[in-house]
Amino acid sequence: DAKTTQPNSMESNEEEPVHLPCNHSTISGTDYIHWYRQLPSQGPEYVIHGLTSNVNNRMASLAIAEDRKSSTLILHRATLRDAAVYYCILRDRKGGSEKLVFGKGTKLTVNP
Amino acid sequence: DTEVTQTPKHLVMGMTNKKSLKCEQHMGHRAMYWYKQKAKKPPELMFVYSYEKLSINESVPSRFSPECPNSSLLNLHLHALQPEDSALYLCASSQVPGGETQYFGPGTRLLVL
Repeated sequence: DAKTTQPNSMESNEEEPVHLPCNHSTISGTDYIHWYRQLPSQGPEYVIHGLTSNVNNRMASLAIAEDRKSSTLILHRATLRDAAVYYCILRDRKGGSEKLVFGKGTKLTVNP
Repeated sequence: DTEVTQTPKHLVMGMTNKKSLKCEQHMGHRAMYWYKQKAKKPPELMFVYSYEKLSINESVPSRFSPECPNSSLLNLHLHALQPEDSALYLCASSQVPGGETQYFGPGTRLLVL
């Protein structure tokens, strides 16, 4: 599986936007970019995914670079509930891969 | 209902014990997964069941034995575990194998003494 690189930790203030970067320079044409997050003492939860175009949902936005070698998860107004570890994951759709391979993720701290 | 439930929430067992972890989903999903997560580490895939058949075993030691009795239920049988097997065990499901979204349960926190 292609590898992703994320900062170990980031900090934000409540009600401010947060931009969480992810580098994936070896991404292949059939890799989708997925984001999951894991709140303290909980299992991971799906946030968003995309292939080439920017994506929006009720939780976040995903901005994908034109060359697809990097992407950014955007939380438009961080709340204390958004404090979690955020994982950027590449999934190869070519073979219908069943695997989610988690990297180290970014631990987001939200300050009141 | 997008819930995956896991029981028990916590489990303490000795190295000679036999215990089982249980996972249940009622979303009609046909793929179910077991992950292991050590403290401050990311989850690591252990097993995948597709349409109630084991499709992926990530070279997991035989002291971990998965079972999928039906499409809603997934068990993980534990026997002769080691202290280093202490971890959070997470269950997940997806609509189909390779489905875009995996739904995770809250996990079972296991301590092996």
